[in-house]
Amino acid sequence: NAGVMQNPRHLVRRRGQEARLRCSPMKGHSHVYWYRQLPEEGLKFMVYLQKENIIDESGMPKERFSAEFPKEGPSILRIQQVVRGDSAAYFCASSPPGDRGNSPLHFGNGTRLTVT
Amino acid sequence: GQNIDQPTEMTATEGAIVQINCTYQTSGFNGLFWYQQHAGEAPTFLSYNVLDGLEEKGRFSSFLSRSKGYSYLLLKELQMKDSASYLCAVRDRGGGYNKLIFGAGTRLAVHP
Repeated sequence: NAGVMQNPRHLVRRRGQEARLRCSPMKGHSHVYWYRQLPEEGLKFMVYLQKENIIDESGMPKERFSAEFPKEGPSILRIQQVVRGDSAAYFCASSPPGDRGNSPLHFGNGTRLTVT
Repeated sequence: GQNIDQPTEMTATEGAIVQINCTYQTSGFNGLFWYQQHAGEAPTFLSYNVLDGLEEKGRFSSFLSRSKGYSYLLLKELQMKDSASYLCAVRDRGGGYNKLIFGAGTRLAVHP
């Protein structure tokens, strides 16, 4: 059973470009979480999505960041007009339908975004 | 506010025991997790406490005191491969889902 898959593993963008990060949840999972880890800091919650619904985006910056989890295909975290401060590791985790938060999160290997 | 504190760095000797402490002040509480993270890799789940007391899992144990807002992770018979960051995380009560609040992590270096 494959785990949470994220791609790309590494992404380099120039300031002003767009970054698209993909996350395929574990098979059978319909809930996706995105976390950001800045260098030397802990993980920070960004957004929680279920298929076609954003449930909690309280950790998302108000501008330039958006997330989606369509009915088909991976979840996408999009960062428009990237700035150097967006350089971080972005981790995705998934959980099964009906999960009330009783099971631990299992993370993907992350996408390391570098903005030059 | 939400605050989770843990030491920034610790060192220990191979074969020894080390205890990593975590204190928390959060608006809600629905469990505390410990994760291990090697440099450049994903956090991996180690342990979970929701009731007071000690949970033991092989060489790793975790303790929780909800009244004191305190947890520790105990690593026994340290091995070189245990050199990693250890992240303490509290699950927010609201919503019934895994909105975790992480500490900054404790970087553990194990020496021969």
